[in-house]
Amino acid sequence: EVQLVQSGAEMKKPGESLKISCKGSGYNYPIYWIGWVRQMPGKGLEWMGIIYPGDSDTRYSPSFQGQVTISVDKSISTAYLQWSSLKASDTAMYYCARNRDSYLDYWGQGTLVTVSS
Amino acid sequence: SYVLTQPPSVSVAPGQTASITCGGNNIGRKSVHWYQQKPGQAPVLVVSDNSDRPSGIPERFSGSNSGNTATLTISRVEAGDEADFYCQLWDSNSDPRWVFGGGTKLTVL
Repeated sequence: EVQLVQSGAEMKKPGESLKISCKGSGYNYPIYWIGWVRQMPGKGLEWMGIIYPGDSDTRYSPSFQGQVTISVDKSISTAYLQWSSLKASDTAMYYCARNRDSYLDYWGQGTLVTVSS
Repeated sequence: SYVLTQPPSVSVAPGQTASITCGGNNIGRKSVHWYQQKPGQAPVLVVSDNSDRPSGIPERFSGSNSGNTATLTISRVEAGDEADFYCQLWDSNSDPRWVFGGGTKLTVL
């Protein structure tokens, strides 16, 4: 069974750093791109970027380039999304999802990030 | 970047048919995918490549795509279908290449 399990909810202060994770299992991990999607409170889905675990090739949406870093450790089938300096506007639910062809066939349960002073 | 336009809301009575549209320039030439997101849950893929249903998705969910509009159709709507629905496609000429529509809230009356 394909599963993507994300790390738990985080509460941070503005300016702090954060790294959240997404662990895949039940499939050949290196050959499927993993994407990250943001959903701000009460809003729609926004594409952030995607990474290929096989060689760490990474593509960012222009809206998120320079704002976050996507990485992967294929030895433990885990992708990461990190911030070096959080802002209140980063408060959102973040989903990872497996990309198959051009669609997202399996999704993680989501990680809620709350940034507040 | 490529823009996908969805109506903010669609309402339908139980047992009737709901149609949710997704507009885009020559979208009929592209593969469109649809996701259902119920409150407090992660999105779920319900239609891929315009009209394919993943395993476990009821036959009541179907998709079509032509011209400038892709459509998700839900037949015999049930109360449990109430959710937000998002269309999505991949466009090699867009940046980002993965694009989501703004989402449609389906309300079952």
